[in-house]
Amino acid sequence: AQTVTQSQPEMSVQEAETVTLSCTYDTSESDYYLFWYKQPPSRQMILVIRQEAYKQQNATENRFSVNFQKAAKSFSLKISDSQLGDAAMYFCAYTVYGGSQGNLIFGKGTKLSVKP
Amino acid sequence: ETGVTQTPRHLVMGMTNKKSLKCEQHLGHNAMYWYKQSAKKPLELMFVYSLEERVENNSVPSRFSPECPNSSHLFLHLHTLQPEDSALYLCASSQETGLGEQFFGPGTRLTVL
Repeated sequence: AQTVTQSQPEMSVQEAETVTLSCTYDTSESDYYLFWYKQPPSRQMILVIRQEAYKQQNATENRFSVNFQKAAKSFSLKISDSQLGDAAMYFCAYTVYGGSQGNLIFGKGTKLSVKP
Repeated sequence: ETGVTQTPRHLVMGMTNKKSLKCEQHLGHNAMYWYKQSAKKPLELMFVYSLEERVENNSVPSRFSPECPNSSHLFLHLHTLQPEDSALYLCASSQETGLGEQFFGPGTRLTVL
């Protein structure tokens, strides 16, 4: 069965500092997507970054970057120059490429607090 | 309106009521999804529609009944719910199933008394 594990229920970072959120997953598939979603208190789930498994290069989006280690099945998110608006729940998610159901499998989330 | 919208944002209902949740996507996507988000649990997929056909029913109780009249609209009809059904219900859409990211609506916070 495919599973996604986020081992850090809560994390805290000082404004302007860097923080890394961990995610591991388990799958026997070779072609898949990985995502990080952010859910602020307003509840809207927002895509932060995505990674296709076939790409060796780590994805980056402005202050957000990932460390994708396919062999280790690890997909961590690094947030640089943290801002107060980064405070939210962060969810790691996985889906099989071309899957007929297309369902996202989510981790339990990491609550990130940003201290001014 | 842009993206994925959901109405209502909040809903309180008794166990004998019948209500419906509505989702609309303005992205031209072909796949739509219902998820349930409960406290301290990962998001649970409930239903998946692709081109208005249901492709996944994830062992959801029959008191939840989905409807997808066209590729832009998705409904979740609720009847005789239980207090444990209280949760945040999220709608999402994607270009196709299993292709790229899903875009989420703001959710409906449901409370069953």
